This record gives sequence, structure tokens and C-alpha cells, in this order.
Amino acid sequence: DTAVSQTPKYLVTQMGNDKSIKCEQNLGHDTMYWYKQDSKKFLKIMFSYNNKELIINETVPNRFSPKSPDKAHLNLHINSLELGDSAVYFCASSQQGDRTFLDGYTFGSGTRLTVV
Amino acid sequence: AQSVTQLDSQVPVFEEAPVELRCNYSSSVSVYLFWYVQYPNQGLQLLLKYLSGSTLVESINGFEAEFNKSQTSFHLRKPSVHISDTAEYFCAVSDTGGGNKLTFGTGTQLKVEL
Repeated sequence: DTAVSQTPKYLVTQMGNDKSIKCEQNLGHDTMYWYKQDSKKFLKIMFSYNNKELIINETVPNRFSPKSPDKAHLNLHINSLELGDSAVYFCASSQQGDRTFLDGYTFGSGTRLTVV
Repeated sequence: AQSVTQLDSQVPVFEEAPVELRCNYSSSVSVYLFWYVQYPNQGLQLLLKYLSGSTLVESINGFEAEFNKSQTSFHLRKPSVHISDTAEYFCAVSDTGGGNKLTFGTGTQLKVEL
């Protein structure tokens, strides 16, 4: 069973569209994250949720809206897509507190978003 | 706030040769340090970490990294690389204050050639 699964794996869409990426983890972790990896492989955190509560919200356009219906799911909705949104988006999960560092993050395999 | 610098974007090396991937960090507080590996078309996986104690940490596949506080470095080394080590390697840092946020470097592409 995949520990952190993201769907879809690939997403090609036109500018101006609205799209969602879904993430689910079956590890029992209580914290989930969205990271954006740009074309130069730079990884930057976007959001983090702990038990459905937003705890990290980096400087991200408000066209990006995370939603966590429960602690096992963290979805990312993007409105009015722009060319610059093209990237690989990674979902990750961890346990809160010291377990985050003892066990590390568990990453999904990524969603490659291409805006044309 | 913390930051991580990986000076080498690409490191080509022949199989069975030694390799060192450099990582330097900046922080005003105590830190935890990590190396993650990303194989093609996959997510990142934790390779090794320094939390406390011995400054030399090892992974199960032969990599090691040494925490050097005075030089603010956490370089990754392997004495003899294999083709299967070809991947992107990311150094990451987090403060020890209880936050869960990892800050990643820009990655180093290790390419092992025959």
C-alpha cells in the first residue's frame, strides 16, 4: 500500500482554469504538507496542516487554497491557473513534534502540473 | 529563519569512486540536519539525519555525513559509489524549537557513470 498517495500524477491544463490535487496518507500521521518544486528542483513549503488545522502558510498567492477534511487528507485547489504555476507539487506527512525528525517526512511521488 | 546552501548543482563521478556532496547551513538557533534523496520520478526519501550526539551519522547504504558546527556544514560522503546512487540529493535543516518545518537546499544531482 502506498503510504502517501497523490492524484493525479500528471496534470496538463490551460491558463485560467481551476484544478485540484488530492493527497491521502495511511500512516496515521497528524501533520501534512504541500511543497512546490520548481524547474530548478528548488523545494519550497507552501502549507502545513496539523489535525486539520492550518499551521504553516507561506507567502503563496491566495489562488492556492488547501483543504483538510480530516487528518489523513490534504487537498490543494488552485484557481485561475497561471504559466508560473507549472511545477511538481509534493504532498508529505509526518508525526507532530519529535517524531517528525526521528522518522522524517514521508513524501508522495508528486503531481507534475503543466499550465499551457 | 534557516537557510541551506548546496554549492554543487551537479556532481558527475565514475562508479566505485568516492564522492562528497557539500551542504552549508545558516541559522541563529540550534538545528537538526537531514539529507533526502530523490530518485527519478519519485518523491523524496530520508537518507540520514543528525539530531544530537555523535556528529558522524551513517545510512544503511553506505553514505555518511558529518555535522560540523564551527563550519556550519553537513557534507555527505560515500567512499565508493554505485550506478544506483544516481539521484538528486537534498540537504535540509530545521530548528530544534519544536516546529515541523523543513527548509531544503536547491539539491545536487549526483550522476554516476561507468
